[in-house]
Amino acid sequence: TQLLEQSPQFLSIQEGENLTVYCNSSSVFSSLQWYRQEPGEGPVLLVTVVTGGEVKKLKRLTFQFGDARKDSSLHITAAQPGDTGLYLCAALTTDSWGKLQFGAGTQVVVTP
Amino acid sequence: GAGVSQSPSNKVTEKGKDVELRCDPISGHTALYWYRQSLGQGLEFLIYFQGNSAPDKSGLPSDRFSAERTGGSVSTLTIQRTQQEDSAVYLCASSLLGPGTEAFFGQGTRLTVV
Repeated sequence: TQLLEQSPQFLSIQEGENLTVYCNSSSVFSSLQWYRQEPGEGPVLLVTVVTGGEVKKLKRLTFQFGDARKDSSLHITAAQPGDTGLYLCAALTTDSWGKLQFGAGTQVVVTP
Repeated sequence: GAGVSQSPSNKVTEKGKDVELRCDPISGHTALYWYRQSLGQGLEFLIYFQGNSAPDKSGLPSDRFSAERTGGSVSTLTIQRTQQEDSAVYLCASSLLGPGTEAFFGQGTRLTVV
């Protein structure tokens, strides 16, 4: 059973459209991170959220952390081809200190 | 270099042989992780080292897998008697202070067992 459930698994959109990907769990997170991975590379950190209800913005990317610290979302406004990649959420739960666990990821493809 | 370095970048081995994968973390980073990623999948946690503490080995899939970290720096992941299902990309990451701080990943070692 996957600790972190990401949805959708795959998303293909046209340049300029908006998209949202989700990360959910039945466990409470002490912190949650979003990474983006491009082919042949390791994941690169986009953001870390630690406070329930927190919203962080990174240019066209908006990250929300659920009030109960069990879920998170990533919203991309006016997607560009450079946003193409595998988006992974990663979390520490309150009872798994040290084990940074990843979801299966959402593959996003943005076509011109 | 300034980043996490993994070697080799690619490894093809015959079923039943042993392999060693190496990770050079960023200097000064106390935490080191190993993950496995199968094609199109997320990252599967294997093992975590933090300073001089005993490693968290709870993700190692079988006793054929082992890892060590010498001198709090370089780490080696060893897979004995490789099987075809071991084929995957093995990723190493390090972070400055441990979980919750940014994990910096290497480019991975692509292991193919034939």
